[in-house]
Amino acid sequence: QKEVEQDPGPLSVPEGAIVSLNCTYSNSAFQYFMWYRQYSRKGPELLMYTYSSGNKEDGRFTAQVDKSSKYISLFIRDSQPSDSATYLCAMSANAGGTSYGKLTFGQGTILTVHP
Amino acid sequence: EAGVAQSPRYKIIEKRQSVAFWCNPISGHATLYWYQQILGQGPKLLIQFQNNGVVDDSQLPKDRFSAERLKGVDSTLKIQPAKLEDSAVYLCASSLGIKETQYFGPGTRLLVL
Repeated sequence: QKEVEQDPGPLSVPEGAIVSLNCTYSNSAFQYFMWYRQYSRKGPELLMYTYSSGNKEDGRFTAQVDKSSKYISLFIRDSQPSDSATYLCAMSANAGGTSYGKLTFGQGTILTVHP
Repeated sequence: EAGVAQSPRYKIIEKRQSVAFWCNPISGHATLYWYQQILGQGPKLLIQFQNNGVVDDSQLPKDRFSAERLKGVDSTLKIQPAKLEDSAVYLCASSLGIKETQYFGPGTRLLVL
């Protein structure tokens, strides 16, 4: 079993739709949860960052973490064609030593928002 | 502020050949990472440096991969000899410190024939 599982999609939605992206994980040591956006032929860029459980909102983006279920989500409201990209969830543990700061990524969800 | 620079952007080699990738992190960033991203998968950490010391290389195939970060700035990742399964995008990232946000470069796309 992979430490982080992410539905690869692909996901195709019309402009203006609400998009829900999800990841599940098995390592209970994960404390930091991130969403990265990766455009074609580019490196990933950090979109959202959350520590422990709860919600975080930034403009059209909302990140949710449910540690009891080992489940995280990213919601995109009023989706735009410019949101078309691969979305990667990533997690790291709050532990010392070599695991500190190490990111474990999901496999990514390919999202296309069509006009 | 300049981002993470990587070169070359693309490389095509035959199996059993050697190849090297170069990374220049954001100025002042002490931590540098090399990731391997196979098509359809998320990035996998190969090696992490703190200044010029290795923090984590547990997933680096050391029989064929090597990396160095001399003087704690630029870094090179080498594969020798390359295998078909090494075809991937090699991403370099840097951060101010180990628990800080990682900024990724555009990657080097490697195709091994």
